[in-house]
Amino acid sequence: DTGVSQNPRHKITKRGQNVTFRCDPISEHNRLYWYRQTLGQGPEFLTYFQNEAQLEKSRLLSDRFSAERPKGSFSTLEIQRTEQGDSAMYLCASSLAAPGGVEQYFGPGTRLTVT
Amino acid sequence: SQQGEEDPQALSIQEGENATMNCSYKTSINNLQWYRQNSGRGLVHLILIRSNEREKHSGRLRVTLDTSKKSSSLLITASRAADTASYFCATGNYDKVIFGPGTSLSVIP
Repeated sequence: DTGVSQNPRHKITKRGQNVTFRCDPISEHNRLYWYRQTLGQGPEFLTYFQNEAQLEKSRLLSDRFSAERPKGSFSTLEIQRTEQGDSAMYLCASSLAAPGGVEQYFGPGTRLTVT
Repeated sequence: SQQGEEDPQALSIQEGENATMNCSYKTSINNLQWYRQNSGRGLVHLILIRSNEREKHSGRLRVTLDTSKKSSSLLITASRAADTASYFCATGNYDKVIFGPGTSLSVIP
């Protein structure tokens, strides 16, 4: 399967712990996006990369969140000192870069539960 | 805000009927996209319409865009039970899209 993959699919952690999620995009895609989604809402933009460069980070994103894409391939999203409000589905998507905009391909998500 | 807002929030129809969902937004956009999400397949891209386009078709889907009214509609014709899902419009500029809260569609067999 050459789609977007995310690991782990589920993560349960205690408040205050750090967690790290991984996203492997479609190999030829140079853009990678992270979103967060809570029940009944649409995906909320967190950050995105073009190749290894992080081009934008949501102003709503706490400094406890950090993302990397070191070699322009896979990406990791780390949440430090997790809080119960961080419980959500974390989605990764990838796309090509194009002036008119292109479709994004989403992974299955990582569901985080903070207890 | 650039974010789209779908209407209605929830829609229930009989199989075979048509379903129409609307999206309104507030700022200028480069493109508008519709996505579907169900528990089985996650988020899937349906169709992209650019700001200089007025209508696009893909199979049973028809999307319109009226930039003067800052609105779009998604029409699903001859609905099937498998169309049961949440539908999101996503307003895009050159680098990212912003999703609305979605419309939950139930198609009753």
